[in-house]
Amino acid sequence: TQLLEQSPQFLSIQEGENLTVYCNSSSVFSSLQWYRQEPGEGPVLLVTVVTGGEVKKLKRLTFQFGDARKDSSLHITAAQPGDTGLYLCAGGKSSGDKLTFGTGTRLAVRP
Amino acid sequence: DTEVTQTPKHLVMGMTNKKSLKCEQHMGHRAMYWYKQKAKKPPELMFVYSYEKLSINESVPSRFSPECPNSSLLNLHLHALQPEDSALYLCASSQVLGRWDDTEAFFGQGTRLTVV
Repeated sequence: TQLLEQSPQFLSIQEGENLTVYCNSSSVFSSLQWYRQEPGEGPVLLVTVVTGGEVKKLKRLTFQFGDARKDSSLHITAAQPGDTGLYLCAGGKSSGDKLTFGTGTRLAVRP
Repeated sequence: DTEVTQTPKHLVMGMTNKKSLKCEQHMGHRAMYWYKQKAKKPPELMFVYSYEKLSINESVPSRFSPECPNSSLLNLHLHALQPEDSALYLCASSQVLGRWDDTEAFFGQGTRLTVV
């Protein structure tokens, strides 16, 4: 079973704070994706990382793929209330394989 | 057009009812997915269709019956459901199954199903 564990499960912070969400697995993935889901909506892709050690930045969000391609992290700088949502990592092992979602991190940013 | 459209948005059904959920995409995607999502949990994969053929069934009970009439449509037929089947049912599509390094899954808004 491909298991992607995210931590923390829930995070409530004040606007302007920084935070990091972790996604860990004992399996190697060919790529890892991060999605954000807002209430009443389906998940929306934020980024895909494919190379071990890769770092990608999307405005205030920084994504990193571990060297061994088993883990990833999402760092948000100066969080805003609009960042509130469920953050999901998702991995695929190879061509033709399904996408497996992580356990999810629910983020609440208070104004 | 990067939309996946699901209907209905909300559905309440009795345990003896038969209903269907519908999903449509016009992006030319050849892989389509059904996920079930319980409150405050991540989506759980149920079925995958690849080129209109059932590719993956995650040991889903037979009271859920998927159908892919053509490359743009995906249905989920529901019969004799239980209250614990109440959840958000998400449809998604991607260009092809796999190749996640250069493709993404596009999700619909979901159907919120309540079984009474």
